[in-house]
Amino acid sequence: QKEVEQDPGPLSVPEGAIVSLNCTYSNSAFQYFMWYRQYSRKGPELLMYTYSSGNKEDGRFTAQVDKSSKYISLFIRDSQPSDSATYLCAMSVGGGANSKLTFGKGITLSVRP
Amino acid sequence: KAGVTQTPRYLIKTRGQQVTLSCSPISGHRSVSWYQQTPGQGLQFLFEYFSETQRNKGNFPGRFSGRQFSNSRSEMNVSTLELGDSALYLCASSFGDAGKTQYFGPGTRLLVL
Repeated sequence: QKEVEQDPGPLSVPEGAIVSLNCTYSNSAFQYFMWYRQYSRKGPELLMYTYSSGNKEDGRFTAQVDKSSKYISLFIRDSQPSDSATYLCAMSVGGGANSKLTFGKGITLSVRP
Repeated sequence: KAGVTQTPRYLIKTRGQQVTLSCSPISGHRSVSWYQQTPGQGLQFLFEYFSETQRNKGNFPGRFSGRQFSNSRSEMNVSTLELGDSALYLCASSFGDAGKTQYFGPGTRLLVL
């Protein structure tokens, strides 16, 4: 079992739809949770960062972490064609010697005009 | 503030050769991490450097090595290239604790023939 599992996709939605992206993980020591967006031929761009459990909202984006279920989600409201990209979840135990990020494989989202 | 820069952006090598990739982190960032991204395996952690010391290492063979200079710039080297080393190599920097938030460069796309 991989440490981080992400729905493989791809996912295609019409403009204006609410998008839900999810990841599950097996390592209960993970404390820091991130979502990255990667456009074609670009490096990943940090979208959302959450520490421990709870919700975090930033504009049209909401990140949720449920540590009891080892499940994280990213919601995109009023999706736009410009949201078409690959979305990667990432998580880590912490800093110092535990500094590496463990990524899901990513899901490619396409928002149709 | 300038982002993470990586050079070269594209590289073609043949099996058995070696290659050196360069990364300049965001000004003030002391941690540099390297990742390999392939369609099959996704993003995989190679190693992380902080203040010129390797602080964390992923599960890659010894052909993959790196170093960090006093100005935080980093290089990674791959010796005796194999076809399977063809990938996008991404560098990410963070201010201190790389396990919390990392900012990625555009990557170096390496093709091994």
